[in-house]
Formats: sequence, C-alpha cells, structure tokens
Amino acid sequence: LAKTTQPISMDSYEGQEVNITCSHNNIATNDYITWYQQFPSQGPRFIIQGYKTKVTNEVASLFIPADRKSSTLSLPRVSLSDTAVYYCLVGDISSGGSYIPTFGRGTSLIVHP
Amino acid sequence: DAGVIQSPRHEVTEMGQEVTLRCKPISGHNSLFWYRQTMMRGLELLIYFNNNVPIDDSGMPEDRFSAKMPNASFSTLKIQPSEPRDSAVYFCASSFFRGVNTEAFFGQGTRLTVV
Repeated sequence: LAKTTQPISMDSYEGQEVNITCSHNNIATNDYITWYQQFPSQGPRFIIQGYKTKVTNEVASLFIPADRKSSTLSLPRVSLSDTAVYYCLVGDISSGGSYIPTFGRGTSLIVHP
Repeated sequence: DAGVIQSPRHEVTEMGQEVTLRCKPISGHNSLFWYRQTMMRGLELLIYFNNNVPIDDSGMPEDRFSAKMPNASFSTLKIQPSEPRDSAVYFCASSFFRGVNTEAFFGQGTRLTVV
C-alpha cells in the first residue's frame, strides 16, 4: 500500500478556508485517494474520494494534480465543528478481495473562534 | 439503517478477565474490520473478514486476541486474559466492496479500560 505523509496538526480560525495536503509519492495506477474525518470519541467518517483532477461535495473539495503524487483537501469557511482529525488514505484491493482502509496518524485540525 | 452498532460503548475490567466486544455491521455489507486506536499507535487494523471469513489477522497483537464472525450480521472480538496495555478504543467498520472506491462505515467504538 502507498504510504501517505500529511502534517501532524494545523490551526485555523472560523470562516477561513483550510487546505490540508497529503503526499503519496508511491501511489499506484489503480489507487484512489480517500479522506476520512474523525471527531473526538467517534469513529472515522468518509468525507470525500477522488482519482484525479477535482472532486467537490457538500462537505469539501479534493484537488489532485496530474501526477497524483499529492492531494489537497479543502474545507471552505471552517467552523468550530470542523475541529477533528483528517486522514488521507490511498489503497488498492487486497489479495483477499477487499479494499482495506489503512490509516496513518492524520492531521489534527483545530479551529479557533 | 442504524449504521454499525458496537457494544458496549464503555468497558472497565480487571486485569486477567475476559472481555468480549460486539459488532453488528450494516446489513448487506460483505466486509468487516476491527481496529484499535491509542494515542501512541494511532488507528491500527487488527483483523478483517470478507463474507464472514477471516482474511488477514496479522494485526492481532497476541494469541490473547481472537475474533469471530459467525454470520453476516454479527462479529465479536475477544481478549482473554486482558492486560492494562489493551486499554484503547476498539472500532468496528463494515463496507460493501465495490472496487477501489469502497467506503467504510465505522461504529462509535468501545472504550476499553483494563485496570
């Protein structure tokens, strides 16, 4: 599985746009890039996924350059409730026939008033 | 659907006791995962099942840990005997495999404290 690198922590203020970049230099051709969000005392929650270019949903946008060696999660106008840990995952299908979410340490985002 | 349901939410037990954590995956999902989360080690995959069959248990730390999935709607993770270093939050997740873009759904977790 491709290894990912992302900042350990980030700070922001309410109303600002937050961009979290993840490096995945060894990403394979078949790998998708998936981001999860984890609030304190809860399990991780899928927020967005992409293969290339740009993906946008009601929660976030995901920007993936042409070489796919990095990706950027963009959270528009964050609020205090966006304080969470954000995980970047890349992965392929295992030999057992499943897609296995494998998590790194994630980025702890703290949003200040 | 109520999502992935784990029980109990909190468990406090004494060292040496047997602990059983339970998970009900989302109906129709064919993959189930058990994870353990600690401050030191982050979120670690312990074992996963595909169509109720254990596929990879290489993440299970020791023989004290065992997991079963007797049917598509139930799984257990057992620790016997428990030790203080097993204290962690244990998450169960399930998914319906549809290729490399599969999304996993997590339960609320069981916070285990072994004293």
